Amino acid sequence: NAGVTQTPKFQVLKTGQSMTLQCAQDMNHEYMSWYRQDPGMGLRLIHYSVGAGITDQGEVPNGYNVSRSTTEDFPLRLLSAAPSQTSVYFCASSYSRDLNTEAFFGQGTRLTVV
Amino acid sequence: AQRVTQPEKLLSVFKGAPVELKCNYSYSGSPELFWYVQYSRQRLQLLLRHISRESIKGFTADLNKGETSFHLKKPFAQEEDSAMYYCALSARDNYGQNFVFGPGTRLSVLP
Repeated sequence: NAGVTQTPKFQVLKTGQSMTLQCAQDMNHEYMSWYRQDPGMGLRLIHYSVGAGITDQGEVPNGYNVSRSTTEDFPLRLLSAAPSQTSVYFCASSYSRDLNTEAFFGQGTRLTVV
Repeated sequence: AQRVTQPEKLLSVFKGAPVELKCNYSYSGSPELFWYVQYSRQRLQLLLRHISRESIKGFTADLNKGETSFHLKKPFAQEEDSAMYYCALSARDNYGQNFVFGPGTRLSVLP
């Protein structure tokens, strides 16, 4: 199993450009989520999905869109990149929504918006 | 609201010394707490969870509900323990079941 795979690993965007961060998992997990990691702030939830066709907003959703057409894939779209979106982005998946369920993380995407 | 604090951004200890990474939380319900670790150039991965009451790589963590703490301890630090450590609370809130992460503590074990 590859686990959770994110692409790309690094990206530089100009302000106003759009792009999609890809996330795929091969563990048949229903629950997937996107976090951003900023210095001194830990990981903050952007969007999450509890299954194909179902998504919802997290703590910091503004400027991002998601969709979940399949169980495996959960892409994150930046509509019009801003310097404030410079961050490291992590995708995670878990088997269920039980509180003691472990989350599996991708390797992260380091995004710089200039 | 749920919150996790880790007061130390950086903790440096010498090899063989005891190490304690502090974590405090605020949550009105019954908490499920985790420690995740991120080694250099690797993905974030689970180190241990309080419900398992296990010791992983010599690390243990005890949930103290009275002090709302979940400190991570190891009696003898090793150089390979150098990494970023995140304390996380699994909570059910307006977002459903999700993790609330602390800001992280970078552990540096010196030779």
